[in-house]
Amino acid sequence: SQTIHQWPATLVQPVGSPLSLECTVEGTSNPNLYWYRQAAGRGLQLLFYSVGIGQISSEVPQNLSASRPQDRQFILSSKKLLLSDSGFYLCAWSRMFTGYEQYFGPGTRLTVT
Amino acid sequence: GESVGLHLPTLSVQEGDNSIINCAYSNSASDYFIWYKQESGKGPQFIIDIRSNMDKRQGQRVTVLLNKTVKHLSLQIAATQPGDSAVYFCAETDPRGSYIPTFGRGTSLIVHP
Repeated sequence: SQTIHQWPATLVQPVGSPLSLECTVEGTSNPNLYWYRQAAGRGLQLLFYSVGIGQISSEVPQNLSASRPQDRQFILSSKKLLLSDSGFYLCAWSRMFTGYEQYFGPGTRLTVT
Repeated sequence: GESVGLHLPTLSVQEGDNSIINCAYSNSASDYFIWYKQESGKGPQFIIDIRSNMDKRQGQRVTVLLNKTVKHLSLQIAATQPGDSAVYFCAETDPRGSYIPTFGRGTSLIVHP
């Protein structure tokens, strides 16, 4: 069976500090990978998605970036965090041609102070 | 861009009752519609999907109805249980957008014992 891991589960970082969130998927090959952000009481905002190693599509211009160094690893980064970067970050995967059926990780709660 | 929205932000029901969560969409090109369930502090979980050439699909205790004429989607949960308490998101996918779902704001379902 497939599993998706995210870490850390919670993170408190000061404004201006760097960020690195990791996501890994097990039990599948060539997944599509996604990063979402969810503000409190709101829906999911797609930040990045990737259809393969080194292939990243950005949906929202901001101070975040994503990388996919390995087939089942997806990293969300920032060089300098802003207060507005606080939120619940979710990684998800889908099979190659069924992007509508996504499987989400447990999420990372980021608080920027 | 076009949006997916929900009629009611909160729905309270008694245990054992049937629940109906509604969703309006505006993108006439969407051809897959999905319902996700998100429990507090967790990532969303895929519940059921329906393709645009269908008007009804049933799962275990859940039924999704699609009315393309009025661009309306609903999720019916039979014999609602306390474990059904969560936020429910509808999402739509446009084949022109690589089937990546666009999520609505969500409806919070509260089940009272």
